Amino acid sequence: AQTVTQSQPEMSVQEAETVTLSCTYDTSENNYYLFWYKQPPSRQMILVIRQEAYKQQNATENRFSVNFQKAAKSFSLKISDSQLGDTAMYFCAFMHYGNMLTFGGGTRLMVKP
Amino acid sequence: SQTIHQWPATLVQPVGSPLSLECTVEGTSNPNLYWYRQAAGRGLQLLFYSVGIGQISSEVPQNLSASRPQDRQFILSSKKLLLSDSGFYLCAFWSRSEAFFGQGTRLTVV
Repeated sequence: AQTVTQSQPEMSVQEAETVTLSCTYDTSENNYYLFWYKQPPSRQMILVIRQEAYKQQNATENRFSVNFQKAAKSFSLKISDSQLGDTAMYFCAFMHYGNMLTFGGGTRLMVKP
Repeated sequence: SQTIHQWPATLVQPVGSPLSLECTVEGTSNPNLYWYRQAAGRGLQLLFYSVGIGQISSEVPQNLSASRPQDRQFILSSKKLLLSDSGFYLCAFWSRSEAFFGQGTRLTVV
């Protein structure tokens, strides 16, 4: 079974600065997806960024980028120029094609003005 | 477009009463469907997932059950609720390399 670990329960960052959220996972599969989801106080799950394991290039979406280290099974999220609206819970997730979608325990991010 | 509807948004039920949460999907066929539970300030715990009609996989032994009577309908049920069943329940489906989530149901068992 796949497991996803987020070792930082809470983090804080000053507005306009950069923060990195950590995620590690364990799998014996070679082809899979990795995701970061944002959950604001409304509790709606919002996809932040997606990475396909066969792609070596790290995914980027505007201020959000990942550092995908397949051999180390690491998938960290970097948020640049942090904004107050980035305050939320962030979940790392793993999906083997057509199978279970497994989430980490989450990291609560607070952006301070 | 692909959408997912989950209801009700909030529910307060007494201990020992039955439960039925419903989730329907539009704009896709034969999706993988999921039920998650989230305790306050915690992560998402996968309860059930389904790859087709009548096919249900359970990840955690519990007081809940799931059914998929139609391709795009996923139901979470309980015959007798426990206090420990309180939480936030999310339905999701997987399509085209992305998961889509419902708005969630906040269940309080009193």
